[in-house]
Amino acid sequence: ETGVTQTPRHLVMGMTNKKSLKCEQHLGHNAMYWYKQSAKKPLELMFVYNFKEQTENNSVPSRFSPECPNSSHLFLHLHTLQPEDSALYLCASSQELGIGNQPQHFGDGTRLSIL
Amino acid sequence: AQSVTQLGSHVSVSEGALVLLRCNYSSSVPPYLFWYVQYPNQGLQLLLKYTTGATLVKGINGFEAEFKKSETSFHLTKPSAHMSDAAEYFCAASWTSGSRLTFGEGTQLTVNP
Repeated sequence: ETGVTQTPRHLVMGMTNKKSLKCEQHLGHNAMYWYKQSAKKPLELMFVYNFKEQTENNSVPSRFSPECPNSSHLFLHLHTLQPEDSALYLCASSQELGIGNQPQHFGDGTRLSIL
Repeated sequence: AQSVTQLGSHVSVSEGALVLLRCNYSSSVPPYLFWYVQYPNQGLQLLLKYTTGATLVKGINGFEAEFKKSETSFHLTKPSAHMSDAAEYFCAASWTSGSRLTFGEGTQLTVNP
């Protein structure tokens, strides 16, 4: 139990579907992150939020749309995805940006498969 | 550019043998350093971290790592491997005050009976 919960754990969707990934943290953190982990590739940071405000978007295609309604919840809305978007999507949280010695805590991820 | 390099994408050891996973960073400024472990179908779990103070850091599951500034290294060790240690291990560093992590590419550890 890491204190970061991601749902669903597995998702299969067609390229024309719209779905959302959810992340919830119970650690009292204020920074949240989305990562993409593909086979044979390094972990890719997608988005960073601090106190609900987006602070980083690493050139992520617009078919991925994040939402952070409060410091405990983070969503990733998906639409018109491509087969290369199949991957494990990891959510993480940390105390807040500006505190570099605090680790990030990860959820177990959502395994996304695009048909 | 600041980066983290893990030497060896795959390491294989026998049960009971020493585990040594290598991590080097490239920067003149020492970062905060972390080791994470990822078991199949799970997220990343923090093993240990180095921030300041003692350069030998002990973590969970019998792992430890030593920060060596002169070698820009933060290698992970465990005296005696167990079958349950089989997983992927990631070294990560944070240079800025922003807590943004830079990850190495990971090392897959296999433990043979």
